[in-house]
Amino acid sequence: KAGVTQTPRYLIKTRGQQVTLSCSPISGHRSVSWYQQTPGQGLQFLFEYFSETQRNKGNFPGRFSGRQFSNSRSEMNVSTLELGDSALYLCASSPLGSSVDGYTFGSGTRLTVV
Amino acid sequence: QKEVEQDPGPLSVPEGAIVSLNCTYSNSAFQYFMWYRQYSRKGPELLMYTYSSGNKEDGRFTAQVDKSSKYISLFIRDSQPSDSATYLCAENAGGTSYGKLTFGQGTILTVHP
Repeated sequence: KAGVTQTPRYLIKTRGQQVTLSCSPISGHRSVSWYQQTPGQGLQFLFEYFSETQRNKGNFPGRFSGRQFSNSRSEMNVSTLELGDSALYLCASSPLGSSVDGYTFGSGTRLTVV
Repeated sequence: QKEVEQDPGPLSVPEGAIVSLNCTYSNSAFQYFMWYRQYSRKGPELLMYTYSSGNKEDGRFTAQVDKSSKYISLFIRDSQPSDSATYLCAENAGGTSYGKLTFGQGTILTVHP
């Protein structure tokens, strides 16, 4: 079956712009989590959505936001981009979002802010 | 102090060697422990998942959890060049920690033919 699909794979944006990233979970998975991966900080949790509701949130500024649609697809948005937002953004899907189910990651979107 | 500490390496071993990867954690609430493998330009791939203290074996991979010491390990037997990747430990507290994995920094492993 198809895995987690993230689009686009690569993105270059200018400081101050905003960006929207997309994640399509595995069919039947209702939970989508987002992570930021940088060489300095590693993988850091951004937020988790289930049935269109944000259930959990990490320690990121309000410029980072997300949403989930009724088909479980999710988007995350970063407004007023900063150079430090350059990172690999990963999403992970899970049937119900509990650790027992496990989390399957996509290949990520590489965002470069110039 | 980070909640999860992992030696970033890099670690270089010859083919066939036994590899030991380790993490320590400070959050007593962590209940679920995972090891992920990440190849360059790819997302992390779940290798092993454990809930309780003790050992879990899957083929060439063995995961160990010692909750009393807050220490987790991954052993790779008969390592292969295809095992060359970054290995990440991850923990979750369960309950309402939906989707929230706390990762170590990752250990870069290279297995030489």
